[in-house]
Amino acid sequence: EAGVAQSPRYKIIEKRQSVAFWCNPISGHATLYWYQQILGQGPKLLIQFQNNGVVDDSQLPKDRFSAERLKGVDSTLKIQPAKLEDSAVYLCASSWDRSDTQYFGPGTRLTVL
Amino acid sequence: AQSVTQLDSQVPVFEEAPVELRCNYSSSVSVYLFWYVQYPNQGLQLLLKYLSGSTLVESINGFEAEFNKSQTSFHLRKPSVHISDTAEYFCAVRGVFDAGNMLTFGGGTRLMVKP
Repeated sequence: EAGVAQSPRYKIIEKRQSVAFWCNPISGHATLYWYQQILGQGPKLLIQFQNNGVVDDSQLPKDRFSAERLKGVDSTLKIQPAKLEDSAVYLCASSWDRSDTQYFGPGTRLTVL
Repeated sequence: AQSVTQLDSQVPVFEEAPVELRCNYSSSVSVYLFWYVQYPNQGLQLLLKYLSGSTLVESINGFEAEFNKSQTSFHLRKPSVHISDTAEYFCAVRGVFDAGNMLTFGGGTRLMVKP
């Protein structure tokens, strides 16, 4: 069974630029999560989808971050414009449903200069 | 809301020695508890979890953790570590009756196994 796929693995941009990350969850997983992991800290949930609907986005900075999950499969997370403090690893995870174990992708490491 | 405290940011240990990684949580409701491991340049992998039943849970690679409700702890232990256990370990908590599946993570403990 293929795991959670993410791309790109690394991205370097300058502040005020835009960036987008892509996630393909494990086949059949209805729930998808985006986490932000700042260096030296544990992951923090940004947004959770159930199929193509948002379950929880209370910690998503909506003035600059947006996410979508069209057709309930792949998802993209966008930052526009990026700030220095957005430098982090962005992790995508998926699970069968909202109560099941979460499986994580390898993450995208974003550096904002 | 829940919170998780991992008391040690780094734990150096010699190969074949025992190790304990500490995790304490705070919650006003019943919780599920998890330990995830993150190897360099990889995503998080579930190591073990406590949902209900026996308070002692084990992983396939020799780790175990014990849920202690009175101490609000879920410490991770291994009687003899290997070089390959070098990684970052994250403790996480989730409320049993949460509508979503939001995990709250601790800050992580870097286990460094030395030969």
